[in-house]
Amino acid sequence: ETGVTQSPTHLIKTRGQQVTLRCSSQSGHNTVSWYQQALGQGPQFIFQYYREEENGRGNFPPRFSGLQFPNYSSELNVNALELDDSALYLCASSAQQGSQETQYFGPGTRLLVL
Amino acid sequence: RKEVEQDPGPFNVPEGATVAFNCTYSNSASQSFFWYRQDCRKEPKLLMSVYSSGNEDGRFTAQLNRASQYISLLIRDSKLSDSATYLCVVNSNQGGKLIFGQGTELSVKP
Repeated sequence: ETGVTQSPTHLIKTRGQQVTLRCSSQSGHNTVSWYQQALGQGPQFIFQYYREEENGRGNFPPRFSGLQFPNYSSELNVNALELDDSALYLCASSAQQGSQETQYFGPGTRLLVL
Repeated sequence: RKEVEQDPGPFNVPEGATVAFNCTYSNSASQSFFWYRQDCRKEPKLLMSVYSSGNEDGRFTAQLNRASQYISLLIRDSKLSDSATYLCVVNSNQGGKLIFGQGTELSVKP
């Protein structure tokens, strides 16, 4: 196990609603990255947080937002949900931000938007 | 063109077979390369990092060719437990942004 936890494990929402997903990073890790994985695709980078600051963002609209807390846990918020937001949402933690750091993934949250 | 492209799957092989996965990436400035394994409905797990000199971990061998921007993974003596999706991953050099290929599904049959 990586020590990265996510909640909830599954979630069903309707179009237009808002959702908050949570991630606890591995002990000693100060960087959390979020990814969206649609069925049959590889994960797509949403954004990364390093020491409570956003540190890079992928090609996702502003209705995808996040936070990182002083204990380095993190939240992903998605507003105005669309059907295409249905996916597995993964968070990954690493000891530092940077290209050489290995990222360890949590089990993910499966979101279904109806 | 996708930033990371992998062989289309699925690969169906018998136990004991040798199987090779290929991957190309578009950003010549990329510095870090990985293979992740993802079991059905689970999270990706790091299989191995890929170094310019090539590296081996038991039955798994990874190679990197920077000139061709090409990464490979060789699995020898396939086991039933190797059945999974294998993801080629490149670090974008934009902080910690990992760029994933779409994955190649491997099914090892008895």
